[in-house]
Amino acid sequence: GAVVSQHPSRVICKSGTSVKIECRSLDFQATTMFWYRQFPKQSLMLMATSNEGSKATYEQGVEKDKFLINHASLTLSTLTVTSAHPEDSSFYICSARQRGPLHFGNGTRLTVT
Amino acid sequence: DQQVKQNSPSLSVQEGRISILNCDYTNSMFDYFLWYKKYPAEGPTFLISISSIKDKNEDGRFTVFLNKSAKHLSLHIVPSQPGDSAVYFCAASAGGSNYKLTFGKGTLLTVNP
Repeated sequence: GAVVSQHPSRVICKSGTSVKIECRSLDFQATTMFWYRQFPKQSLMLMATSNEGSKATYEQGVEKDKFLINHASLTLSTLTVTSAHPEDSSFYICSARQRGPLHFGNGTRLTVT
Repeated sequence: DQQVKQNSPSLSVQEGRISILNCDYTNSMFDYFLWYKKYPAEGPTFLISISSIKDKNEDGRFTVFLNKSAKHLSLHIVPSQPGDSAVYFCAASAGGSNYKLTFGKGTLLTVNP
């Protein structure tokens, strides 16, 4: 069964609004979660590493003020896309490690109109 | 700079035959490699992994081969089944299994009945 739950699976928003995506680890505690983004026909690109109780670590080129990450508990990390623009439309996926390899959520398809 | 490359965007195979998916990498610091399978609108699902201390790992119908000198790995699926049709991502990390992953662009495998 799924070990990582992501919500919502799909969201459409207007330009300028903010969207929050939740990622939960099921039945295990995740001190670290990872947020990826995938554009069509491209690979999954790591955006940031979410650390419980401390600031997220962002990859080069990812705006931390635009993609706000909060990891307030050992089972929940949130990604907020602020002041969304059409170019932010993408597939956002979170992941966490229980034991061994990373497990991924089912992703969130964000469409900004 | 694509550190993990999957040069075949697609592969079509007949049911019952072998599927071979290839992956090349450029970063000699990578020491842990994984294959993920992804269906549309879903997150990737872990398939199989291999550490750089091995050259082969087998799990049922799936076998991963690693050629460190050539910086090349491959995933063999035999026999292929229609349910194997999906996008397969190769991923690598430096520092063992607990570090962030770098993904290839994926190969769409279609297994024809």
